Amino acid sequence: QQQVKQSPQSLIVQKGGISIINCAYENTAFDYFPWYQQFPGKGPALLIAIRPDVSEKKEGRFTISFNKSAKQFSLHIMDSQPGDSATYFCAPPTGGFKTIFGAGTRLFVKA
Amino acid sequence: EAQVTQNPRYLITVTGKKLTVTCSQNMNHEYMSWYRQDPGLGLRQIYYSMNVEVTDKGDVPEGYKVSRKEKRNFPLILESPSPNQTSLYFCASSFRSGGREKLFFGSGTQLSVL
Repeated sequence: QQQVKQSPQSLIVQKGGISIINCAYENTAFDYFPWYQQFPGKGPALLIAIRPDVSEKKEGRFTISFNKSAKQFSLHIMDSQPGDSATYFCAPPTGGFKTIFGAGTRLFVKA
Repeated sequence: EAQVTQNPRYLITVTGKKLTVTCSQNMNHEYMSWYRQDPGLGLRQIYYSMNVEVTDKGDVPEGYKVSRKEKRNFPLILESPSPNQTSLYFCASSFRSGGREKLFFGSGTQLSVL
């Protein structure tokens, strides 16, 4: 079974600070790397994703970067806001038909 | 509006009483899957389906059944629920399998088995 290691488990950031969440994976297939955001009482929703033709993608305050040699991809949230407080999941490709998620990172942004 | 619809939103039942959680998507997606979410364990895949009549086990399939008779529907069946199946359940769908495309999630079903 593929291992997905997401860190940290929880994160507290001051408003305006940078939040960084990491995801390490085993599978060598690089197809599509998404990050999902989940607010309490809601289902996860795609936040940002990257494909193999780029090593970094930025959408507003959210940036996803990929380190192929380290088999790690990261989510950076710049100028973090209280509204960003949520749980974040990575879901690296498995090379098969399953979908495996990281254990999640609970982010709390202090006002 | 593109969506995945799960019902019911909340369900309280007793041990051994069969139940079904329904899931329907209106996006003509081939891939559908079920997850359970437990504190500290993230989202764990129960079953998935690559297309009509094609299903396979995820990481935690014990105690669950699924069927995919139509493309849009993928119900989750608990034949004899037990308290360790108390959890938050999510259905999801996408065009392609294995996390290769955006997953659309339902709003979740909070199940309590007494």
